[in-house]
Amino acid sequence: EVQLVESGGGLVQRGGSLRLSCAASGLTFSSSALSWVRQAPGKGLEWVSGISGSGGVTYYADSVKGRFTISRDNSKNTLYLQMKSLRAEDTAVYYCALLKPNLQGFFDSWGQGTRVTVSS
Amino acid sequence: DIQMTQSPSTLSASVGDRVTITCRASQSVSTFLAWYQQRPGKAPKVLIYKTSTLGSGVPSRFSGSGSGTEFTLTISRLQPDDFATYYCQQYFNYPQTFGQGTKVEI
Repeated sequence: EVQLVESGGGLVQRGGSLRLSCAASGLTFSSSALSWVRQAPGKGLEWVSGISGSGGVTYYADSVKGRFTISRDNSKNTLYLQMKSLRAEDTAVYYCALLKPNLQGFFDSWGQGTRVTVSS
Repeated sequence: DIQMTQSPSTLSASVGDRVTITCRASQSVSTFLAWYQQRPGKAPKVLIYKTSTLGSGVPSRFSGSGSGTEFTLTISRLQPDDFATYYCQQYFNYPQTFGQGTKVEI
């Protein structure tokens, strides 16, 4: 069974930085495309970023391009999201999700989410 | 970006009802369409992918159909666990985009 466990969320000031982590198990990590999806309070789902199994291909939503960096450590089965220049509109629950069948896929498994609050 | 529009935004129903949710895409997404269920305070869960393929462990009362720009999710006989918010999502093009959600309430 695939398990994705996010961590690293918290309260940060506007303009600040935060790094989210997602520890994965129950899958062939280095072959698995992964993504971050967020959900602002009371709102719908928004795809944020995706990364291929090797880490060689990455994609970003326009709303975070240039501020967020997705990466992975295949030796640690861990996905990351480095967030900089945070804005109030980045306040959300951030989910790590497994993409199937590939980077341009649907979200097959989800973590429980980690909450990020950007204070102004 | 491809825009996904769901209707209705809210749906009131009773246990045992047949429920249909519609998702329209701003351009063709072929059959690269998934549906998710999200209960309050929980992560989303995939119900259906590739328009009509049930996710692992998903009850057969859920079904999906459509192609191109118009898709439907049908719940044949609503159960108490099914009161939740449902999202469609296209993965034909980057970025993957979601509908705004349909809340199914009692």
